[in-house]
Amino acid sequence: GAVVSQHPSWVICKSGTSVKIECRSLDFQATTMFWYRQFPKQSLMLMATSNEGSKATYEQGVEKDKFLINHASLTLSTLTVTSAHPEDSSFYICSARLTSGDNEQFFGPGTRLTVL
Amino acid sequence: DAKTTQPPSMDCAEGRAANLPCNHSTISGNEYVYWYRQIHSQGPQYIIHGLKNNETNEMASLIITEDRKSSTLILPHATLRDTAVYYCIVRVGANFGNEKLTFGTGTRLTIIP
Repeated sequence: GAVVSQHPSWVICKSGTSVKIECRSLDFQATTMFWYRQFPKQSLMLMATSNEGSKATYEQGVEKDKFLINHASLTLSTLTVTSAHPEDSSFYICSARLTSGDNEQFFGPGTRLTVL
Repeated sequence: DAKTTQPPSMDCAEGRAANLPCNHSTISGNEYVYWYRQIHSQGPQYIIHGLKNNETNEMASLIITEDRKSSTLILPHATLRDTAVYYCIVRVGANFGNEKLTFGTGTRLTIIP
């Protein structure tokens, strides 16, 4: 149980284009999902908290107009990197929080974004 | 959330127990200790968590000192597939509303054949 998927697993795009990444909780409902970014040889950095049916909460320094988050259902959150540039190339990882027990988070496999 | 301190790297022989320490001397009474690991180019994997009692599951054991200022994650019989970066994180429980996980630099565990 508690499986989280991401799609796509990797994407290469041209500078200036927008890229959408999906995060799904496959066997549970998640009112809260989280989006992280990880640069090579660095740790995960939380970008934003995504709440179903409401606006996302962004961490300091993360541009909300550049990283659009939509959490339209209890099993799906999307992250859209708008007008991507090479410096946005990174490993993007989502997690979903169980609404039972101690609310531990389960992570997706990540999406490798490369912007040319 | 309280900060944690972990050694940057450790080696362990295959088949032996891997003991990963974590210091969290500023932990508050309502903060849990969580352990995750991240295998290269994958998302983090939840391992175990605890508040003050020792915990055990199918993956690992978590030993928390009585003063809760440090803990040890034990992988009883390490295999090559356990090679990963292990993160020790402390955070308040869900009842206190803060759900964020703040990742430090973790410990890079290498299992040696």
